[in-house]
Amino acid sequence: TAGITQAPTSQILAAGRSMTLRCTQDMRHNAMYWYRQDLGLGLRLIHYSNTAGTTGKGEVPDGYSVSRANTDDFPLTLASAVPSQTSVYFCASSYSGTGELFFGEGSRLTVL
Amino acid sequence: RKEVEQDPGPFNVPEGATVAFNCTYSNSASQSFFWYRQDCRKEPKLLMSVYSSGNEDGRFTAQLNRASQYISLLIRDSKLSDSATYLCVVNMERAGGTSYGKLTFGQGTILTVHP
Repeated sequence: TAGITQAPTSQILAAGRSMTLRCTQDMRHNAMYWYRQDLGLGLRLIHYSNTAGTTGKGEVPDGYSVSRANTDDFPLTLASAVPSQTSVYFCASSYSGTGELFFGEGSRLTVL
Repeated sequence: RKEVEQDPGPFNVPEGATVAFNCTYSNSASQSFFWYRQDCRKEPKLLMSVYSSGNEDGRFTAQLNRASQYISLLIRDSKLSDSATYLCVVNMERAGGTSYGKLTFGQGTILTVHP
């Protein structure tokens, strides 16, 4: 079972360029999330989606956008990357939003 | 004050030791609580939920103290394989609300178990 898949695994990006991190799940989970993880700050929620067609802002949404056209896919876009967006990004999904999140393996992004 | 706070450690303990982690949360209306485990350079995975009455899963015991707004994780008879970062996670949204499932993570407590 694939579960939740992220791509790319890692990427180096020049500042000012745009980038889309892909996330796909095959568990038919309603809710999906994007977190970033930084040393000393833990995991912080960027955006979330409770169901296909809806999205919401998390704790650190600035500079990021998401879409949820269908149940399975939840891409995260950086329109114009900045060095402070260097981080490890985790996509996650949850069936009912009640607590157990299933995470992808992460995407390590470096913005120079 | 952070919404969810943990002692980052690191905790270095010998095999067989008992170790306990605490976590405090700021929102008294928080509804559900969890401990996740994250291995180095891997994704977090659910270790156990934390119930009001306390719960145990093998060598792991989780407890919740709503009055003092903290949760704890006790690991008995530590194994080398327990070495990881332990994340305290709190759901501050009501289930069925417009934004359910917005879990807030603590920064994690690093545990190293040595021979």
